[in-house]
Amino acid sequence: EAGVTQFPSHSVIEKGQTVTLRCDPISGHDNLYWYRRVMGKEIKFLLHFVKESKQDESGMPNNRFLAERTGGTYSTLKVQPAELEDSGVYFCASSQVYQGRTEAFFGQGTRLTVV
Amino acid sequence: SQQGEEDPQALSIQEGENATMNCSYKTSINNLQWYRQNSGRGLVHLILIRSNEREKHSGRLRVTLDTSKKSSSLLITASRAADTASYFCATNGGSQGNLIFGKGTKLSVKP
Repeated sequence: EAGVTQFPSHSVIEKGQTVTLRCDPISGHDNLYWYRRVMGKEIKFLLHFVKESKQDESGMPNNRFLAERTGGTYSTLKVQPAELEDSGVYFCASSQVYQGRTEAFFGQGTRLTVV
Repeated sequence: SQQGEEDPQALSIQEGENATMNCSYKTSINNLQWYRQNSGRGLVHLILIRSNEREKHSGRLRVTLDTSKKSSSLLITASRAADTASYFCATNGGSQGNLIFGKGTKLSVKP
């Protein structure tokens, strides 16, 4: 079974440009999460989809970030325009409630560098 | 506010030694999880311990949970060079499945 996959694995863009990150969750997982780790700091929650609906987007830093999950399958996270402080590793995770447990499976992350 | 907070922030040991990492959290939890991140790779789920459990084992991993002290520890026995990674504890947050991570402990195991 394929795990959570993220594209690209690494992106280097200039300040002011737009970048779109993609996450393909494990097939059948309704829950999809985006997290971010800025260098040296903790991994922070960004938002949570249940199928195509945004369940919780309290962690989104500002309106330069837009996440979508059309059709409840893969998700994209767009940063427009990118700023230097957006650099970091963006993780996606998916989960499905199973016997009361919700174990999240993470992708390998996208390392975003804004220069 | 930060929930999980690991210490030490960095730990360097020799192969074969045991490594202990600690995590403290602030609010009540349903469970606490430990993850590992190898350099340049994604997060790998290691172990989950429920709030009504005090200790759990998985291979060379041993996790303890003290809800009265709001703390957990991860012990890796007989460490190997391949254990070199960053280790994070995470607790359940607001929405279903939302995790709150600490800054992590960077473990370096020297051969």
